[in-house]
Amino acid sequence: DAGVIQSPRHEVTEMGQEVTLRCKLISGHNSLFWYRQTMMRGLELLIYFNNNVPIDDSGMPEDRFSAKMPNASFSTLKIQPSEPRDSAVYFCASSLGGGYTSTDTQYFGPGTRLTVL
Amino acid sequence: QKEVEQNSGPLSVPEGAIASLNCTYSDRVSQSFFWYRQYSGKSPELIMSIYSNGDKEDGRFTAQLNKASQYVSLLIRDSQPSDSATYLCAVNEIKAAGNKLTFGGGTRVLVKP
Repeated sequence: DAGVIQSPRHEVTEMGQEVTLRCKLISGHNSLFWYRQTMMRGLELLIYFNNNVPIDDSGMPEDRFSAKMPNASFSTLKIQPSEPRDSAVYFCASSLGGGYTSTDTQYFGPGTRLTVL
Repeated sequence: QKEVEQNSGPLSVPEGAIASLNCTYSDRVSQSFFWYRQYSGKSPELIMSIYSNGDKEDGRFTAQLNKASQYVSLLIRDSQPSDSATYLCAVNEIKAAGNKLTFGGGTRVLVKP
C-alpha cells in the first residue's frame, strides 16, 4: 500500500510568493496532521483534521497560513505571502482512527523542504 | 517549561552497547507514548508505543513508562551503526474532539563501530 504522499518534495521560492503544499492520506485513514520541523523549534503541529473537519489549528503561525481538506483523501497547506522564516520541512501525517482513540499511530509522509529566499 | 523534554545529545555509544534515552512530560493526563526514529533528511517513523506502566519489549528495543514520575525511556540493546539517528519522544494529548501528539526535541544517537 502507498504511504502518505506529499508534493512537491522540494520548493524554492522568493519572499512574497504563494506556496501550496499537498498531501494525500493513506487510503482509509480519517485523520490528517500538518507539522513543521526546524532545527530551532523541532517538530511542531500546525493543524489537524478529523473526517475533513479542522479540529485544532492553534499551531498555525499566523493568518498567512491556511489549510484545507476538500475531500477525505487530500489536503493542502498554503502560505501567502511566504517569508524567509517559513523555511522548514513540512510533514503531513495520517492516522487510521477517528481521532478519539489515543492509540492511533501517525504515519508520516516524506516531507516538503521549503526554502524562501 | 516544554511539554515534552529530551536531552538533545549527541549520545555516543559503541557498537554492541546499550543506548538509553530519556523523556519527561508535563501533562499528567497523557495516556499514550511513542518513540519515533528519524534518520537525517527523512521523515519520522514509529518504532515503539507504550500505554501502561512498566516495560514493553520489541526486538532490540525496550520502552519503559512510569506515569507517576511522568517519565518514559527507550533502551536500544546491541546498538548497531544503523541505529544512528535522532529519536523523538511523543506524548498523546487527548482533547474533547480528538487527540494530538506533542513531540520532544529529539535525542541524536551516534553508534560508533
